Amino acid sequence: GAVVSQHPSWVICKSGTSVKIECRSLDFQATTMFWYRQFPKQSLMLMATSNEGSKATYEQGVEKDKFLINHASLTLSTLTVTSAHPEDSSFYICSARASGTSRMGSDTQYFGPGTRLTVL
Amino acid sequence: GEDVEQSLFLSVREGDSSVINCTYTDSSSTYLYWYKQEPGAGLQLLTYIFSNMDMKQDQRLTVLLNKKDKHLSLRIADTQTGDSAIYFCAESRAAGGFKTIFGAGTRLFVKA
Repeated sequence: GAVVSQHPSWVICKSGTSVKIECRSLDFQATTMFWYRQFPKQSLMLMATSNEGSKATYEQGVEKDKFLINHASLTLSTLTVTSAHPEDSSFYICSARASGTSRMGSDTQYFGPGTRLTVL
Repeated sequence: GEDVEQSLFLSVREGDSSVINCTYTDSSSTYLYWYKQEPGAGLQLLTYIFSNMDMKQDQRLTVLLNKKDKHLSLRIADTQTGDSAIYFCAESRAAGGFKTIFGAGTRLFVKA
């Protein structure tokens, strides 16, 4: 099956620092990747849609200057949490949607294992 | 609207069948999904169904879709303790760029 990896799997940082999270599709090309955050015992909330070669589309209420998204290639998207604060502590999950011509089909998202961010 | 609703908890005995229900509001939903999340882990796609289907079966899993009532269910036959997890119902539609909207998740407890 399709594999999406995230790195790091967990990170602890000091308040005010920036943290970069990588999302990679390992055996398929993903024109679109999605970034979610999940608070404890809650559902996933979509933060933004990342399209390769173009600017990300952010959901209402998500600060684009704080959560920088770069989709540099068909297999890599990065989320940078800038000037992180304790309230940014969360589980960040990415998903990748296979390109229409790939063997994976165009209608299925594959999720990464998530990155747990703790800001002290 | 883009609401997806699920009951929060379900408790069953090992060996029994589990039925997790979900309702959604957007009639233009194209794909409906069931994901499983174990503690501290990411999401695992269990199965999905196209909106023009009524039922899909995959080993112990049976998905039923009532498009008229916008109701989706997941039945797990012969539930095992390893099935204990949170199950998320989700919907997406091609017109929305396949943006996926998730329900709050149903926590399934399987008692031995």
